[in-house]
Amino acid sequence: DAMVIQNPRYQVTQFGKPVTLSCSQTLNHNVMYWYQQKSSQAPKLLFHYYDKDFNNEADTPDNFQSRRPNTSFCFLDIRSPGLGDTAMYLCATSRAGKTDMNTEAFFGQGTRLTVV
Amino acid sequence: AQSVTQLGSHVSVSEGALVLLRCNYSSSVPPYLFWYVQYPNQGLQLLLKYTSAATLVKGINGFEAEFKKSETSFHLTKPSAHMSDAAEYFCAVSDLGSYGKLTFGQGTILTVHP
Repeated sequence: DAMVIQNPRYQVTQFGKPVTLSCSQTLNHNVMYWYQQKSSQAPKLLFHYYDKDFNNEADTPDNFQSRRPNTSFCFLDIRSPGLGDTAMYLCATSRAGKTDMNTEAFFGQGTRLTVV
Repeated sequence: AQSVTQLGSHVSVSEGALVLLRCNYSSSVPPYLFWYVQYPNQGLQLLLKYTSAATLVKGINGFEAEFKKSETSFHLTKPSAHMSDAAEYFCAVSDLGSYGKLTFGQGTILTVHP
C-alpha cells in the first residue's frame, strides 16, 4: 500500500540526454514537491505544486522543469543533464496550505539518477 | 530565512545506550519542526513532528523530541539504542504559510555498535 511511488528507482542517463522522472500518489494531497539530494548532503527543494500552481525555488536551474497533469501525478524533466545533476531525487506530498497546520510531508523511495 | 543546524555529522553509540541527536533552528516565529530518518538508498520517513500542540513530542520507534523555545532547540532522543536505529537523521523546519516546504539540516549519521 505504497502512498508515494517513484519510478524508476534507478536511472542512468547520458550527459545532455533529456530524462524524465515520475511520481504518483494515492493520498489525494494537494501539494507535491521535488527535492534533490546529492551524496552526503541534505535534501534541497527544487519546486513545488500547490494544486496546479507551479512554484519554482529561486536557485533552481532552468534545466529543471516539472509537470503536474493531474492531482495524482507529477514529473521532473531534466532537459540537458550534466554530471553535477547526479543525485537522489525525492518526491513528496502533503496537505499543506497557507494557513493549514498539517504540513507533514510523505516521501517516496526516491530515484537515484546517475549522469555519465 | 529559517535555517536548521544539526550539531555532529556523526554520532556513535553502543546498543542499549541513550541516543541524543541535536537540532537548533533559526526562525523569527515558532516554526513547525520535524525529524526524518533515512536508510541507505531510501526516501525519508517521518519520526515525529512539532506543531505547537505540546512541547514534548513522541514519535515512532521509541523516539521523542522536546521543543525548547528559549534554546531554539528540538533535540531527538531515544532511551535505548537498537541496531536497527542505524541510519541518517534529518531535522527540518517549515513555516506557516510556506505550503509545507521543508528546510533540512545537514543530517546526522547514527552508528550503533553491538
